[in-house]
Amino acid sequence: DTEVTQTPKHLVMGMTNKKSLKCEQHMGHRAMYWYKQKAKKPPELMFVYSYEKLSINESVPSRFSPECPNSSLLNLHLHALQPEDSALYLCASSRYYPRASDTQYFGPGTRLTVL
Amino acid sequence: GQQLNQSPQSMFIQEGEDVSMNCTSSSIFNTWLWYKQDPGEGPVLLIALYKAGELTSNGRLTAQFGITRKDSFLNISASIPSDVGIYFCAGHSRGAGGTSYGKLTFGQGTILTVHP
Repeated sequence: DTEVTQTPKHLVMGMTNKKSLKCEQHMGHRAMYWYKQKAKKPPELMFVYSYEKLSINESVPSRFSPECPNSSLLNLHLHALQPEDSALYLCASSRYYPRASDTQYFGPGTRLTVL
Repeated sequence: GQQLNQSPQSMFIQEGEDVSMNCTSSSIFNTWLWYKQDPGEGPVLLIALYKAGELTSNGRLTAQFGITRKDSFLNISASIPSDVGIYFCAGHSRGAGGTSYGKLTFGQGTILTVHP
């Protein structure tokens, strides 16, 4: 089973709202990722967690706050977002990080619209 | 940072035709991955390649890891309407060090349209 699940599928929020995106995997992977993707562009890495610790933050604004409660779960807390933050947010996982050979498996994404 | 040049950017083909797309880089890559993405969905892994020269098939799809480690191609035979989508190549660069190690580099994608 190579399934990564994400909820919600769609999210519409105002600029003053606080919301959270959730991601779950049960493949025993120890690395989990958040990506942001604009239409017809490749995914852009935001955060990497390895063994539930934040390994990489790609200079993401503090209005995005990741959290890894355990090895299967990854959250992305959103607060005071801007309309330009509207995008498809993808979660991915791999066995380990960093290792320059592990395949990353992506979830279906959350389509976020900021009004 | 590392860059992947993916071509073509888009393709318009008739159902039943074969398709070929490729990715090249000036850097050496350890792995090559090919993903397909449908609108509003996440990328789905099609083929993973781990060794130079490796040729791997998955149904009508065939991909190869270039012998120089700097390129890869994906072929789709006898295309069908459900092949429509965006295809991304991605890989781990062997030369990347420091905080780049382990990160995936993506190509810009090939948009495939199949006319019935």
